[in-house]
Amino acid sequence: DAGITQSPRHKVTETGTPVTLRCHQTENHRYMYWYRQDPGHGLRLIHYSYGVKDTDKGEVSDGYSVSRSKTEDFLLTLESATSSQTSVYFCAISEVQGASYEQYFGPGTRLTVT
Amino acid sequence: RKEVEQDPGPFNVPEGATVAFNCTYSNSASQSFFWYRQDCRKEPKLLMSVYSSGNEDGRFTAQLNRASQYISLLIRDSKLSDSATYLCVVTSGGGADGLTFGKGTHLIIQP
Repeated sequence: DAGITQSPRHKVTETGTPVTLRCHQTENHRYMYWYRQDPGHGLRLIHYSYGVKDTDKGEVSDGYSVSRSKTEDFLLTLESATSSQTSVYFCAISEVQGASYEQYFGPGTRLTVT
Repeated sequence: RKEVEQDPGPFNVPEGATVAFNCTYSNSASQSFFWYRQDCRKEPKLLMSVYSSGNEDGRFTAQLNRASQYISLLIRDSKLSDSATYLCVVTSGGGADGLTFGKGTHLIIQP
């Protein structure tokens, strides 16, 4: 299995509070991603990073920010959590080779915003 | 909007049977294709990449039809452990952000 960990694995927070999720990899892969997964939806990309301090928005980036100060860590921050951000959050990594974009996922973080 | 469509199922299949499901994609410029497997309350895991010539990995066979823009996955001699949700994933070209995930097909193998 790819060396990807996420913390915390479960979190319950109140509306309006800031929340930071952490993704840590030991594979030295260049690309890192944050997705959310909700019933009735496929995995949706929130933000991704293509290198240290290089990030870009995904499909559902509103209300989220990210930072990557080291190759191995990618942080996702909800500045002011809302109930619509209750979801399962997955981090993924990839090392793009040619036309292959195989991604490997972390175990996920279950976030509940009350 | 780029779409990847899958029959959500569930597909209820007896153990030992062969099961196949398809995925269609809307972006004709898509370059790479994958099947992922996701168990309940777990992360998606790469099952196999799908190559233009088709490819096989043990009991699993993946096919790509670019003209009709669909990908198929065939599972032979199904096992109870094959019960999972199978996600079709398509790259839409461009950068590494260009993955589009289907919502998944739920497969239940019955003893």
